[in-house]
Amino acid sequence: EADIYQTPRYLVIGTGKKITLECSQTMGHDKMYWYQQDPGMELHLIHYSYGVNSTEKGDLSSESTVSRIRTEHFPLTLESARPSHTSQYLCASRTGAGGYTFGSGTRLTVV
Amino acid sequence: GENVEQHPSTLSVQEGDSAVIKCTYSDSASNYFPWYKQELGKRPQLIIDIRSNVGEKKDQRIAVTLNKTAKHFSLHITETQPEDSAVYFCAASPYGNKLVFGAGTILRVKS
Repeated sequence: EADIYQTPRYLVIGTGKKITLECSQTMGHDKMYWYQQDPGMELHLIHYSYGVNSTEKGDLSSESTVSRIRTEHFPLTLESARPSHTSQYLCASRTGAGGYTFGSGTRLTVV
Repeated sequence: GENVEQHPSTLSVQEGDSAVIKCTYSDSASNYFPWYKQELGKRPQLIIDIRSNVGEKKDQRIAVTLNKTAKHFSLHITETQPEDSAVYFCAASPYGNKLVFGAGTILRVKS
């Protein structure tokens, strides 16, 4: 089924660890986005990409990086996790000027 | 850049009553206005959207109105039901650009 998939669904990790959150979509969308969201709260844009080898930083300052080597894949990496990174991370994609399709999210806890 | 304000932040209604959520935007170039519903623990889902060449759009119990002159748009839910309880987000963007989201409205439908 065409959709956007995020793994892992839940992650508990120690401070200082490097982690990568995976996001893949099977819809052929060219635009992809990463948002940080505390439960039920505002969506903060972290990074986005308009195509392969294109990445931009969003509005929320974050010690994270992204890559877009393939159209369908847009992983987010935290080089050194901190308790302040504890949150939900949502990946989204869209084609053209339509609405976003969101993934189910990764709930990250840094201890 | 675009800025979207959303009101109210919380809204409680009796089952069967109507609910209205309002958003204002700042960038006159914005021409796409989607609304998302996020149930507890789930991903945001697109429920309705409108483009700037249309003043109103309806889908069963949900309608969205747009006033380009005043730069505001509203979500109307009629005959509310308990399953309408969720967080609702409005968003705006110029053609093809990234969506700018409002801060969200927590809707509670009391039975």
